[in-house]
Amino acid sequence: AQKITQTQPGMFVQEKEAVTLDCTYDTSDQSYGLFWYKQPSSGEMIFLIYQGSYDEQNATEGRYSLNFQKARKSANLVISASQLGDSAMYFCAMRVLNTGNQFYFGTGTSLTVIP
Amino acid sequence: EAQVTQNPRYLITVTGKKLTVTCSQNMNHEYMSWYRQDPGLGLRQIYYSMNVEVTDKGDVPEGYKVSRKEKRNFPLILESPSPNQTSLYFCASSLQVYGEAFFGQGTRLTVV
Repeated sequence: AQKITQTQPGMFVQEKEAVTLDCTYDTSDQSYGLFWYKQPSSGEMIFLIYQGSYDEQNATEGRYSLNFQKARKSANLVISASQLGDSAMYFCAMRVLNTGNQFYFGTGTSLTVIP
Repeated sequence: EAQVTQNPRYLITVTGKKLTVTCSQNMNHEYMSWYRQDPGLGLRQIYYSMNVEVTDKGDVPEGYKVSRKEKRNFPLILESPSPNQTSLYFCASSLQVYGEAFFGQGTRLTVV
């Protein structure tokens, strides 16, 4: 079975500090992709970062980096230098090649940045 | 502009009254899918489609129908809505095998 687990329902971080949002995944497939999305209070889903299962380097996109530990099946999102606009819900997702390329989402982590 | 367009954005309806939420994408994506988002449950897939005339059930398909007659459109049909289908619905599209999902703006549905 394919599953994404986000164990932190809510997180707080001080402005300008770094924060790590946890994500673990479960799949027996060798080919998969891992994604992070941001959902601000306005509701839209914003793609942040992608990591392929065969990528050896951790993905980075500006202030976002994905800490990919394949053996531990974890794909944590690191946000550096937090800003007030980072306050949002964050979803981890996985796309698995051999299950019809379906996407599987976690339950999300609500991040609040404190001034 | 590349986008996924859902309509309507907000809908209040009564139990049993058939409704359709439309979804259209202009990126020539083969893969389209529908999700519902509920507090504490994240996004759960309702149906997905890998191409025209190819659809399959996701995790929570009961009470929903879809069709994919054209590549760009993937409507979600609730033939007899019930209050437990009150939720935030998202349509998404992506390339067939790789790449991220592009989401529509969401449809907030209330069934009374």
